[in-house]
Amino acid sequence: EDQVTQSPEALRLQEGESSSLNCSYTVSGLRGLFWYRQDPGKGPEFLFTLYSAGEEKEKERLKATLTKKESFLHITAPKPEDSATYLCAVLGEQGGKLIFGQGTELSVKP
Amino acid sequence: ETGVTQSPTHLIKTRGQQVTLRCSSQSGHNTVSWYQQALGQGPQFIFQYYREEENGRGNFPPRFSGLQFPNYSSELNVNALELDDSALYLCASGGRVSDTQYFGPGTRLTVL
Repeated sequence: EDQVTQSPEALRLQEGESSSLNCSYTVSGLRGLFWYRQDPGKGPEFLFTLYSAGEEKEKERLKATLTKKESFLHITAPKPEDSATYLCAVLGEQGGKLIFGQGTELSVKP
Repeated sequence: ETGVTQSPTHLIKTRGQQVTLRCSSQSGHNTVSWYQQALGQGPQFIFQYYREEENGRGNFPPRFSGLQFPNYSSELNVNALELDDSALYLCASGGRVSDTQYFGPGTRLTVL
């Protein structure tokens, strides 16, 4: 069964304190791994798509990496405005159906 | 380019009632997917439509049904509402079945 597990469930950082979020997955025929950011009560905002092991993508203070079993979202020198829930999802060989993890709630204090 | 929009923003219903939620896809997108997100959880896939045909369904009962229209707008209908149906309902659109999905702001449904 396709499955996504994110850790930690919650992460508290001081402004400027770099860290990483983990997304472990099992899926039949990975078509893509997606990272989203979600603010309370709002829809997920797309961040990155990764397609194959070894791929990396960056956007401002965020960098996403992918291996055959997990993905990391690295946050460098975070700011309070980076506080949100970060969701990881995979798309398997069946297509269409995104399978999400439960998310990591990130809080960055000034 | 307009993004994905959903209506209404919030909705309150009572158990046993029926509800229709609406979504307008991002311009140029052919697929629309619906997800249910309970508080503190990741979104759960309900179903996807591609060119007006259902293209995959998650573990949701038949009282959850949908439509996609020629202009790529979509509806999610839920009959015989139950208390556990209270959640944030998200619509997402994409170019093709395997493309990145872009989400709307969601509809918060509360069932009393």
